[in-house]
Amino acid sequence: EDQVTQSPEALRLQEGESSSLNCSYTVSGLRGLFWYRQDPGKGPEFLFTLYSAGEEKEKERLKATLTKKESFLHITAPKPEDSATYLCAVQAGGYSTLTFGKGTMLLVSP
Amino acid sequence: GAVVSQHPSRVICKSGTSVKIECRSLDFQATTMFWYRQFPKQSLMLMATSNEGSKATYEQGVEKDKFLINHASLTLSTLTVTSAHPEDSSFYICSAVRTAAGYNEQFFGPGTRLTVL
Repeated sequence: EDQVTQSPEALRLQEGESSSLNCSYTVSGLRGLFWYRQDPGKGPEFLFTLYSAGEEKEKERLKATLTKKESFLHITAPKPEDSATYLCAVQAGGYSTLTFGKGTMLLVSP
Repeated sequence: GAVVSQHPSRVICKSGTSVKIECRSLDFQATTMFWYRQFPKQSLMLMATSNEGSKATYEQGVEKDKFLINHASLTLSTLTVTSAHPEDSSFYICSAVRTAAGYNEQFFGPGTRLTVL
């Protein structure tokens, strides 16, 4: 059974204080690893897809990396508007369905 | 690109009535769409897979007669909550799958908050 574990569950940062969120996974035949951002009362917003170990993608203050066992979402010099829940999900085999982690709730204080 | 809309964004109804929620992919075609349910402070729970032109596939424990899904076109899927009861109150989110270069990516709608009185 595919499993996704995100840590920490919650993270509080000061504005400008860089950190990383972790997503470890167990899956048969990783097809893709996805990062989403979700604000309260809204649907998840697509951030990144990573397909193979060693791959990295960046978007503004965010950088996602992937190894064979885990992915990191690095947040550089975060701002209060980066506060949200960050969801990690994996896709296995030839299927479109995603297995989600429980998310990391990030709060950035000014 | 890859925009998914949902309508309505919020609905309040009386117990026993039916509610229809629409999910549209605005700038791409989606053979497959998904319907999720999310409870406060919890992650998304997959309810069903909606396939254009065929019957939906429901996850274990989800009543297919309660949650009717119709994927009428490559850009529209609907979820009808029949005879809604207060326990059906939740945040319902759809996603649409965009396929490119052999890879499938899911893009989510903004969600629909259903409150059953």
